[in-house]
Amino acid sequence: QITLKESGPTLVKPTQTLTLTCSFSGFSLSASGVGVGWIRQPPGKALEWLAVMYWDNDNRYSPSLKTRLTITKDTSKNQVVLVMTNMDPLDTATYYCAHNSRSAASLPFDYWGQGIQVTVSS
Amino acid sequence: DIQMTQSPSSLSASVGDRVTITCRASLSISSFLNWYQQKPEKAPRLLIYAASSLQSGVPPRFSGGGSGTDFTLTISSLQPEDFATYYCQQSYSIPFTFGPGTRVDIK
Repeated sequence: QITLKESGPTLVKPTQTLTLTCSFSGFSLSASGVGVGWIRQPPGKALEWLAVMYWDNDNRYSPSLKTRLTITKDTSKNQVVLVMTNMDPLDTATYYCAHNSRSAASLPFDYWGQGIQVTVSS
Repeated sequence: DIQMTQSPSSLSASVGDRVTITCRASLSISSFLNWYQQKPEKAPRLLIYAASSLQSGVPPRFSGGGSGTDFTLTISSLQPEDFATYYCQQSYSIPFTFGPGTRVDIK
């Protein structure tokens, strides 16, 4: 059974750096084709894809946020970490991590964490 | 970036109705199209991948179609638990953009 769970601060101040951790079980990020992605959703708005990391350390980022994002993995701990710098109130959103597989046609996000609500405010 | 649009943005329907939602990509994405269902305060749930493949555990009243730039999600007979917001997402090229969503309400 695949599960994912996001953790991190729920309140950050403008200009601060946000560090979110995705802890997962039921799969290994060292297995060929496996990836973990991050998606966010501002209150009342649509989903926005942020980044994905694959088993082979192939990282992909949203071009509009690329200069602010870093995604890393700790395979031994079954964790993926997303770092977002220079936080702004517009970054207030629920942040999700999700399982992704290059082995599956169309690379769907087939398992999702429950999400963590992050507010950016002074 | 590939832009995704959805129509309608919202609709009201009754239990038992047949509902179709359309998703359009700004350029051809072959069949790299996924559909998700999201209920309030919940994480999205994958319904359809590769434009027309039903995810395991999803009821067969959900179906997807299309390729290239135009896609559809159809619910053959709307059930009470289907009232939610539906998103399409392209996975053809980075960034893997989502559509703006279609909200399905009870009439």
